[in-house]
Amino acid sequence: QVQLQQSGPGLVKPSQTLSLTCAISGDSVSTYSASWNWIRQSPSRGLEWLGRTYYRSQWYNDYAVSVKSRITINPDTSKNQFSLQLNSVIPEDTAVYYCVRAVGAGEGYFDYWGQGTLVTVSS
Amino acid sequence: DIQMTQSPSSLSASVGDRVTITCRASQSISNYLDWYQQKPGKAPKLLIYAASSLQSGVPSRFSGSGSGTDFTLTISSLQPEDFATYYCQQGSNLPLTFGQGTKVEIK
Repeated sequence: QVQLQQSGPGLVKPSQTLSLTCAISGDSVSTYSASWNWIRQSPSRGLEWLGRTYYRSQWYNDYAVSVKSRITINPDTSKNQFSLQLNSVIPEDTAVYYCVRAVGAGEGYFDYWGQGTLVTVSS
Repeated sequence: DIQMTQSPSSLSASVGDRVTITCRASQSISNYLDWYQQKPGKAPKLLIYAASSLQSGVPSRFSGSGSGTDFTLTISSLQPEDFATYYCQQGSNLPLTFGQGTKVEIK
């Protein structure tokens, strides 16, 4: 059974960096059969895919255009986890953030989700 | 980006009713369409993948159909635990995108 456990602060000041970590159990961040994603949800933007990391003989990343200049998703093979960093946050980045595994054909479907972290951007 | 449009945005139904939710993609996505259920304060839960494949552990009263641009989620006999918000998501092209959701409420 795959489990994703999120950690990180729930309050971030404007212009600072949002950092979250997702610890994986029951699978490997280096697996060839999945990608590891971050998705956020807010009343104004709905469910929004932010980006992913995955391993296929080398590491790859894909990011949403809306956050591409500010986002980094990194795998940590020693701890079997992956992380999200979002720089220069603004109040509109306030949302519930989820780490999610994607599998399957095409770009994949999301079969396992973390518990979610409400991140509030406020001074 | 591929836009996903769900209808209706909300509906009221009674236990035992047959419920149908529609999702339309702004361009063809073959069968790369998935459905999720979300309850308040919880993460979305995968119900259907590849348009019509039932995720393990999901009751058989849930079914999906469609291909190309038009898709349907059907709940054959609504149960009390099915009152929730439902989302479609396309897995054809990046960025992966979701519909705006359909809230199923008690009549």
